[in-house]
Amino acid sequence: DAGVIQSPRHEVTEMGQEVTLRCKPISGHNSLFWYRQTMMRGLELLIYFNNNVPIDDSGMPEDRFSAKMPNASFSTLKIQPSEPRDSAVYFCASSLSLAAFNEQFFGPGTRLTVL
Amino acid sequence: AQSVTQLDSQVPVFEEAPVELRCNYSSSVSVYLFWYVQYPNQGLQLLLKYLSGSTLVESINGFEAEFNKSQTSFHLRKPSVHISDTAEYFCAVSEDSGYALNFGKGTSLLVTP
Repeated sequence: DAGVIQSPRHEVTEMGQEVTLRCKPISGHNSLFWYRQTMMRGLELLIYFNNNVPIDDSGMPEDRFSAKMPNASFSTLKIQPSEPRDSAVYFCASSLSLAAFNEQFFGPGTRLTVL
Repeated sequence: AQSVTQLDSQVPVFEEAPVELRCNYSSSVSVYLFWYVQYPNQGLQLLLKYLSGSTLVESINGFEAEFNKSQTSFHLRKPSVHISDTAEYFCAVSEDSGYALNFGKGTSLLVTP
């Protein structure tokens, strides 16, 4: 299996622009997680899905952030409009199910820079 | 609510020396414990995990961690580190009644010759 795939790997944009990050989970995994990593706050869970349904989005920082999972093999995280403080590495992870003992498999991340 | 504390943000160590990365958690219920490793410019990978049974768990590359319920700790150890162990190490906790992983802020292990 190719593992969790994220695109793009790097994104540089200007403040106010819309940014869309993409994720393809491992085939057969039913749960998907979006994280944000910064030096100041470490690794933060933004939102997670189970069977394509959002379960908890309490970690989404503002209404400017939205996430969708239209099918089992694709998810997007959108920021509109983007701001410099959104600069971070965004990770997508997938697991077999939401059971707490399951390993989460992480993608390589998208490094977002908002100028 | 659960929380995870990694007491050291950076741990410099010489090659072939032993190392311990500390992790403490707070939770009022049963937990599952994980250590993830992040190599430069990569995503996180599971290193080892404690679910139940023996409190000492091992990874394939020589790391081990011991679950200590009374001290609510899950410290990571390796008797002899290699240059290739240089990475960021994250301790994570999940409650058996919950879904999400709660990560610590990470410990940067730097191994030098």
